[in-house]
Amino acid sequence: DTGVSQNPRHKITKRGQNVTFRCDPISEHNRLYWYRQTLGQGPEFLTYFQNEAQLEKSRLLSDRFSAERPKGSFSTLEIQRTEQGDSAMYLCASVYGRANYGYTFGSGTRLTVV
Amino acid sequence: DAKTTQPPSMDCAEGRAANLPCNHSTISGNEYVYWYRQIHSQGPQYIIHGLKNNETNEMASLIITEDRKSSTLILPHATLRDTAVYYCIVRGESNFGNEKLTFGTGTRLTIIP
Repeated sequence: DTGVSQNPRHKITKRGQNVTFRCDPISEHNRLYWYRQTLGQGPEFLTYFQNEAQLEKSRLLSDRFSAERPKGSFSTLEIQRTEQGDSAMYLCASVYGRANYGYTFGSGTRLTVV
Repeated sequence: DAKTTQPPSMDCAEGRAANLPCNHSTISGNEYVYWYRQIHSQGPQYIIHGLKNNETNEMASLIITEDRKSSTLILPHATLRDTAVYYCIVRGESNFGNEKLTFGTGTRLTIIP
């Protein structure tokens, strides 16, 4: 593995459409995080998986958002009925065990809702 | 999570040391100080972290004051590729122990040729 991979890199969608993003973490990393970043701001925590279990969700994660990590490997983040306010960079990060040595982030998926 | 305060922007001449300050006056005894940076259009990159003692790695040095209320990230010989937003983070823990990171708005460091 060379790092955390996110696909697609860019997504433009019409308001009201559903979108799904994929994150492939470093293979031995058991913890996976999703963050959202809007222009000029730092990343904001969305949700966290330890293996396949989703253990915490931010209040930012409305009912239109769902994340999965089947079999504790890759993860998907789906946004239903997209709104213009969902336009942001969605970042995935992974880490093995305790995060004492830092997370590895992917390059993100930039979503634009028109 | 302890909050951090950083200057919004700084300039540094290429080849000189870049010193990026961070205040974290409400840090608790078991919280680490982390530094990440984000180069344009990329995800954040881990730089260094520390608890009490000064730390150094191949990328940077971290100086933490004795009272732990502030710290300084030092890039010893800044290059143009060090132009980025630098985030100082005090690592928080949730009830589930997820050790999520709480980012502020960071310091935009510009290296001047």
